[in-house]
Amino acid sequence: DVKVTQSSRYLVKRTGEKVFLECVQDMDHENMFWYRQDPGLGLRLIYFSYDVKMKEKGDIPEGYSVSREKKERFSLILESASTNQTSMYLCASRPQVGGGRRNEQFFGPGTRLTVL
Amino acid sequence: AQTVTQSQPEMSVQEAETVTLSCTYDTSENNYYLFWYKQPPSRQMILVIRQEAYKQQNATENRFSVNFQKAAKSFSLKISDSQLGDTAMYFCAFLFYNTDKLIFGTGTRLQVFP
Repeated sequence: DVKVTQSSRYLVKRTGEKVFLECVQDMDHENMFWYRQDPGLGLRLIYFSYDVKMKEKGDIPEGYSVSREKKERFSLILESASTNQTSMYLCASRPQVGGGRRNEQFFGPGTRLTVL
Repeated sequence: AQTVTQSQPEMSVQEAETVTLSCTYDTSENNYYLFWYKQPPSRQMILVIRQEAYKQQNATENRFSVNFQKAAKSFSLKISDSQLGDTAMYFCAFLFYNTDKLIFGTGTRLQVFP
């Protein structure tokens, strides 16, 4: 079974804090993704990564950065958290072999971040 | 820009009945993939079914099937013999062949009643 884990289910931070959200997958997947999920907006892609040390901007990268130093780990960083970044954050991974983009994305359980 | 529209924010169905969730999308491209993902309450999102645009045959996975109408840009999900475990948020998603940006709809919350 593919397992995608996220470091916290719930997180409360204060405005201006630097926030790290960690995601780890155990299936040697090449591609990893960070989304935020908001009611009435669905999921929106923040950043994704094809491989170690590679990253691409998604649709809403402003206010976020990412880091992928190891294949299994993809971190989302909020340099200076703001209240409008209160949201559910979902990480996903996807294998490249066997179908590429048509392959299923495997999601983590999500981190519900509240910025006060 | 490509958009995915799910016009039903909430739906309900009785156990063992059939329900159809609608999804429409807007694109000028010819080659793409379409997906339905399920997010149960407090559980991880999982893939339900996938359709490749060049395939005319509708995808089927056990009790789940799609009605893919390419000309109408419609991709509805039919759940037959609904079960309590089908209660979840369902997201329709669109992906071009040559990009990794999966575009999600706003979701439909499905409640299955006993």
